[in-house]
Amino acid sequence: QVQLVESGGGVVQPGRSLRLSCAASGFTFSNYPIHWVRQAPGKGLEWVAVISSDGTNKYYADSVKGRFTVSRDKSKNTAYLQMNSLSGEDTALYYCARDDRWLPDYWGQGTLVTVSS
Amino acid sequence: QSVLTQPPSASGTPGQRVTISCSGSSSNIGSSYVYWYQQLPGTAPKLLIYMDDQRPSGVPDRFSASKSGTSASLAISGLRSEDEADYYCAAWDDSLSGVFGGGTKLTVL
Repeated sequence: QVQLVESGGGVVQPGRSLRLSCAASGFTFSNYPIHWVRQAPGKGLEWVAVISSDGTNKYYADSVKGRFTVSRDKSKNTAYLQMNSLSGEDTALYYCARDDRWLPDYWGQGTLVTVSS
Repeated sequence: QSVLTQPPSASGTPGQRVTISCSGSSSNIGSSYVYWYQQLPGTAPKLLIYMDDQRPSGVPDRFSASKSGTSASLAISGLRSEDEADYYCAAWDDSLSGVFGGGTKLTVL
C-alpha cells in the first residue's frame, strides 16, 4: 500500500534552517511528483511546493519562494524539503503527498516544525 | 485569506443532506480539476473526490461533487456522525501553484 513517512521536524530558532524528509513506499516513486503541504496550528491547509517525477521541475508558493527548496533522491525513494531563513510563520505540521494530476492524493502523517527562540 | 472560498462552517442532522461550496476563479477552478479532502480530527487529510466528481475506491457514494464554471460543491447525503470533519477543496492554479480553500468545519448535530 502507498505509504509516505515524513521526518526531520523539530524546534528551530528563527533564521535557522531545517531539512524535512519524505520516505515513500508502496508505489513507483520515480513515476510521481511529490507535494509538500503545511498546516499551521488550528489553521487550514496551505500548499507549499511540488517537485516533478524526474526532479527537473519545481514550483513553490510565494510565501516560501527563495527560502525553501524541494529535491528528491530516487535511489532512496525519498523527497526533501530544505527550509532556510525560518520564521514563526513557518510553524506548522508539514505533510508530503503523492501527486495525482497536479494535486495530492495519498498523504503522510506529517512532521511538526516549530520556529521559536 | 485563501485563494478558494469556502464557508467556515456547515451543519446537519443525521440522515440529512448537506452541501459545501467552493468558489474560485478562471485561473484555478475554471481551468483545472477540483479535488476535495476530508480531515478527521487529529489526522492527515484524505482524498475524497478527484477530477471534479470522481470518488476513489472506498469512499462511500454518499459523497458526491460537481463543478460549474469557477465554482464547485461537495454534497454529503445520509449524513452520519463519522462525517464530522474539516473539508477542503483544492485546485491547480495557472500561476503554477496549488491552491486550497480555507476549509469547512462540518458539525453533525
